[in-house]
Amino acid sequence: AQKVTQAQTEISVVEKEDVTLDCVYETRDTTYYLFWYKQPPSGELVFLIRRNSFDEQNEISGRYSWNFQKSTSSFNFTITASQVVDSAVYFCALSEASGDDYKLSFGAGTTVTVRA
Amino acid sequence: DVKVTQSSRYLVKRTGEKVFLECVQDMDHENMFWYRQDPGLGLRLIYFSYDVKMKEKGDIPEGYSVSREKKERFSLILESASTNQTSMYLCASSLQAGSSYNEQFFGPGTRLTVL
Repeated sequence: AQKVTQAQTEISVVEKEDVTLDCVYETRDTTYYLFWYKQPPSGELVFLIRRNSFDEQNEISGRYSWNFQKSTSSFNFTITASQVVDSAVYFCALSEASGDDYKLSFGAGTTVTVRA
Repeated sequence: DVKVTQSSRYLVKRTGEKVFLECVQDMDHENMFWYRQDPGLGLRLIYFSYDVKMKEKGDIPEGYSVSREKKERFSLILESASTNQTSMYLCASSLQAGSSYNEQFFGPGTRLTVL
């Protein structure tokens, strides 16, 4: 069963618009970690943020912010005032503490295109 | 900076050939991973290694094998390449302690085409 669902396949915006990426996850664990990774055209996935299941405080880091809601099993990610360099594929991922503790379950990814 | 390098960015092979994909990391990470990435499917784990000479199957190990003779190097082997193995292959590494918490560091990927 798909543990991480990213319903948006592609998003296209004009520079300076905000972009919100949706992520819904599924787990029975009480302890788990959620991640966002960015994959620019160069191909290398880059770690962006991590959240543990006990910390629902939403944060802002520069132009990035995230909204973690356990009640709806969602971990959404927002890029404020998007730039062309934000064009990439973004992956949400889940790691469960009680399962195979090395395993990351990835969503299918959302391709973001920011037009100048 | 953590550096994960992969031997080739692009590779074209013929059906039936034996293919080696090499991955090297320079941060003394215990864990190393091989994924394949296909459109609409995200990343799927092929094999995982948590120590030298140790390996575990991931979600899609069929048609693949791996080798880890040194801590820094993890090889993916396609014994007899088939067209359905045309894909992007990504290597990653991470620290072992508190594994479920640790982020993985990825290489640039190898785009393999099997004709």
